[in-house]
Amino acid sequence: GQQLNQSPQSMFIQEGEDVSMNCTSSSIFNTWLWYKQDPGEGPVLLIALYKAGELTSNGRLTAQFGITRKDSFLNISASIPSDVGIYFCAGQLGSQGNLIFGKGTKLSVKP
Amino acid sequence: DAMVIQNPRYQVTQFGKPVTLSCSQTLNHNVMYWYQQKSSQAPKLLFHYYDKDFNNEADTPDNFQSRRPNTSFCFLDIRSPGLGDAAMYLCATSRAQGADEKLFFGSGTQLSVL
Repeated sequence: GQQLNQSPQSMFIQEGEDVSMNCTSSSIFNTWLWYKQDPGEGPVLLIALYKAGELTSNGRLTAQFGITRKDSFLNISASIPSDVGIYFCAGQLGSQGNLIFGKGTKLSVKP
Repeated sequence: DAMVIQNPRYQVTQFGKPVTLSCSQTLNHNVMYWYQQKSSQAPKLLFHYYDKDFNNEADTPDNFQSRRPNTSFCFLDIRSPGLGDAAMYLCATSRAQGADEKLFFGSGTQLSVL
């Protein structure tokens, strides 16, 4: 089946540092979504991207839809302890396709 | 204001004992999904309903069934849970299916099988 390669798998950073994670695929996606999941909770939508090259911010979070439509990145600036969690990218193939999830990036922030 | 509500948050069942997980939504969305998520893994789609149309993923075991009696409610039935079915089960909704649609998730039900 289709796969999204999400990296890094985990990150351990100091509070205040910037974070960057990305997803790549060999397939072209119509939509990229970024979710954050806290332990024992469902994923919460952070940013949705719909057009190639689109750059969207949500507070300290910025995400971009790659020009080739095969990749996306998420940046978090000035990380804080509550940024801890697992971040998932998800992409949609075609206009009616279901979402395909990356394997997640686990973020740990040291105060 | 919870929009996708899953009950219960934690469910314990015995090996082979049928169990039902429930999901309700206040968004009036047309599509409802059930995902299985095992520890440290991405959510895996089991099936979804577009209105009353049921769409099963090819690799979803027959042990998993679903019902959607009305727009607001959707149930996941596990007929004979095995130890390998212990996981977080996530319900999600979207207004429709299409390139601009976003999925909204519930808080999940953590299922343990003894």
